[in-house]
Amino acid sequence: QKEVEQDPGPLSVPEGAIVSLNCTYSNSAFQYFMWYRQYSRKGPELLMYTYSSGNKEDGRFTAQVDKSSKYISLFIRDSQPSDSATYLCAMSEGSSASKIIFGSGTRLSIRP
Amino acid sequence: DAEITQSPRHKITETGRQVTLACHQTWNHNNMFWYRQDLGHGLRLIHYSYGVQDTNKGEVSDGYSVSRSNTEDLPLTLESAASSQTSVYFCASSESGRAEAFFGQGTRLTVV
Repeated sequence: QKEVEQDPGPLSVPEGAIVSLNCTYSNSAFQYFMWYRQYSRKGPELLMYTYSSGNKEDGRFTAQVDKSSKYISLFIRDSQPSDSATYLCAMSEGSSASKIIFGSGTRLSIRP
Repeated sequence: DAEITQSPRHKITETGRQVTLACHQTWNHNNMFWYRQDLGHGLRLIHYSYGVQDTNKGEVSDGYSVSRSNTEDLPLTLESAASSQTSVYFCASSESGRAEAFFGQGTRLTVV
């Protein structure tokens, strides 16, 4: 079993819909949680970064961490075609980027 | 603006040849990383460095080496390229003690 599980999709939703992307994990020591967005043939770019449990909001994006369930989510409100990309969850035990474990990514497509 | 650049963006090489992929960052980050990205596997860490003259093996380091002679550069060398090393390679950097990593645009390597 992988340490981090992420549904690969693809996920296709109409423009304006609320999107929910999720990851589950098995290592209860993870404390730092990240979401990266990766456009086709580009490098991943950091979207959200959270520490421990709780919610974090940034514009149309909300990251949610539920450590008791070992489950993290990324919500995208008012989705736009420009949100079409692969979304990678990532997590680590400590503050060192060398220990980041990435999910395999969910491919998201927003239909105009 | 600070950035991280990789070269070349695309490369085709033959089995058994030595190949070096370049990575240069202007963030002045101490930490630098090399990942490979393959379908179904997400991002897997090859090697990383916490500073000049420091290098460490990651999850999938066999057949790869790195050297760090200055803060800005971390070249990745494939000693004897194999078809199993056909992949997209990403370089990343981060500040000391921070889990968030910033990625380059990637190098698509094909070994024939």
